[in-house]
Amino acid sequence: EDQVTQSPEALRLQEGESSSLNCSYTVSGLRGLFWYRQDPGKGPEFLFTLYSAGEEKEKERLKATLTKKESFLHITAPKPEDSATYLCAGFQGAQKLVFGQGTRLTINP
Amino acid sequence: KAGVTQTPRYLIKTRGQQVTLSCSPISGHRSVSWYQQTPGQGLQFLFEYFSETQRNKGNFPGRFSGRQFSNSRSEMNVSTLELGDSALYLCASFNPGYQEQYFGPGTRLTVT
Repeated sequence: EDQVTQSPEALRLQEGESSSLNCSYTVSGLRGLFWYRQDPGKGPEFLFTLYSAGEEKEKERLKATLTKKESFLHITAPKPEDSATYLCAGFQGAQKLVFGQGTRLTINP
Repeated sequence: KAGVTQTPRYLIKTRGQQVTLSCSPISGHRSVSWYQQTPGQGLQFLFEYFSETQRNKGNFPGRFSGRQFSNSRSEMNVSTLELGDSALYLCASFNPGYQEQYFGPGTRLTVT
């Protein structure tokens, strides 16, 4: 069964305290790994697409990496505005994404 | 460039009724996908349309259906609503050139 598992479920950090979110996957015919950010009551906001093991992408304080079995979202020196739920999803083609349950990140000032 | 738009944003329906939700993708995007998001199940894929044809479908009952028009706008219909259909329904449009999928703000459906 196709599955994406994110850990931890929730993470609380102090402003400036760097950390990583994990996304492990078993998705048949995986063609890519997507990361999204979602704020309460809003649609997910696209962050990154990763295609192959070893690939890395960066955007401001965020860096996403991919191995053959998992992906990490590294957050460097986070700010309170980085507080959100971060979702990862396996892309199977024909625009079908298999989502994890998300990591709820809170950054305290 | 305008993003994905969904209407209505909020909807309250009674059990047994039916509902139609609308989605307009980003200009130039021909693929539209629909997802259901609930606290218990998270984001689950409903179906995907490309050039007015359904190409992929998730594990949802036949009460959930959709269609796409020649201008790429899409509608989703749920018949005989059940309490468990209360959810945030999200539409996404796909940019094949960059393998990026963008979501709309969603329609919050409450079934009473």
